[in-house]
Amino acid sequence: EAGVAQSPRYKIIEKRQSVAFWCNPISGHATLYWYQQILGQGPKLLIQFQNNGVVDDSQLPKDRFSAERLKGVDSTLKIQPAKLEDSAVYLCASSPSNDRGGTQYFGPGTRLLVL
Amino acid sequence: AQSVTQPDIHITVSEGASLELRCNYSYGATPYLFWYVQSPGQGLQLLLKYFSGDTLVQGIKGFEAEFKRSQSSFNLRKPSVHWSDAAEYFCAAGTASKLTFGTGTRLQVTL
Repeated sequence: EAGVAQSPRYKIIEKRQSVAFWCNPISGHATLYWYQQILGQGPKLLIQFQNNGVVDDSQLPKDRFSAERLKGVDSTLKIQPAKLEDSAVYLCASSPSNDRGGTQYFGPGTRLLVL
Repeated sequence: AQSVTQPDIHITVSEGASLELRCNYSYGATPYLFWYVQSPGQGLQLLLKYFSGDTLVQGIKGFEAEFKRSQSSFNLRKPSVHWSDAAEYFCAAGTASKLTFGTGTRLQVTL
């Protein structure tokens, strides 16, 4: 079974530029998550989708971050414009709807450096 | 507020020695509990999870964890550490598929 796929793996941009990350979850997983992991910290949830609907985006900085999961499968997270403090690893995770407790399976992450 | 505490930021053990990583949680009810491992440049890999039942949980790579309700703890253990276990370990707690992560413990293994 293929795992969660993410691209790109690395991205370097200047502040005020825009960037987009892509995630393809494990096949059949209804729930998809985006996390931000700043160096030295644990992952922080940005947004959670159930199929193509948003379940929780309370910690998403909506003035600059946006995410979509139009067909209920893959998802895109965008930052526009980027700030220095957005430098982090962006992790995508998915979980099946029939898993009690919602075990999450993570992709390799996208490392973003904002200069 | 829900929180997960990993009191040890960095631990160094010798290869072959035993390991215990601490995790304490604060939740309104007993949450689901997880341990993940993150190798440099990689995503998080699930080591083990506790939902209910037997309080001693076995995971992959020879790891186990014990849930202690009275102490609100879910400590991770391994009887004999291998050099390849060097990584960052995250404890997480959650309900209804929403996880709160600790800040992680970085494990260094000396030969």
